[in-house]
Amino acid sequence: KAGVTQTPRYLIKTRGQQVTLSCSPISGHRSVSWYQQTPGQGLQFLFEYFSETQRNKGNFPGRFSGRQFSNSRSEMNVSTLELGDSALYLCASSSSSLGLERDTQYFGPGTRLTVL
Amino acid sequence: DAKTTQPPSMDCAEGRAANLPCNHSTISGNEYVYWYRQIHSQGPQYIIHGLKNNETNEMASLIITEDRKSSTLILPHATLRDTAVYYCIVRRASNTGKLIFGQGTTLQVKP
Repeated sequence: KAGVTQTPRYLIKTRGQQVTLSCSPISGHRSVSWYQQTPGQGLQFLFEYFSETQRNKGNFPGRFSGRQFSNSRSEMNVSTLELGDSALYLCASSSSSLGLERDTQYFGPGTRLTVL
Repeated sequence: DAKTTQPPSMDCAEGRAANLPCNHSTISGNEYVYWYRQIHSQGPQYIIHGLKNNETNEMASLIITEDRKSSTLILPHATLRDTAVYYCIVRRASNTGKLIFGQGTTLQVKP
């Protein structure tokens, strides 16, 4: 079974621009979560989507948004980019329908975003 | 979610067992303990998880104390490729799709 895929793998943008990142979950997985990883803050949860609905959200400004399509693929968008948005953006999928503690998340390789 | 405490770094000789400890003294009865690792700049890799009983898979063993306040991840025969940051996470069902990562333990396997 193919793993979680993320595109693009690397991206360079300038301040003020917007960016869209894509995530394809493992086949059959309906939950997709997004994380941001920076050297200063570590790995932080952005949001989770299940059945095209945002089910959980972290503490990030409204510039960070996402959506999920009927095939469970997900995109996240960051508008008005700031230098501090430079990070590794990770996507994870699980088969969770109930968000049970035992549901395992599997991560993709990430998208490395650099904001100049 | 319960807070976890891990040593910031550990060394292990290649071929020896690596024992990574984790304290989670405020864990609730329905919270699972998960372990992930992250090799430099890659996505975190799932290793193992458990609730009460010890667990073993092809990668590692997880030993959870009887009071569930701490656990140990065991890599039985560490190799250089096991050098990574290891994260111990306690997960609550209400936090759907959300894992709270701490700083983890940087394991350095040395030849």
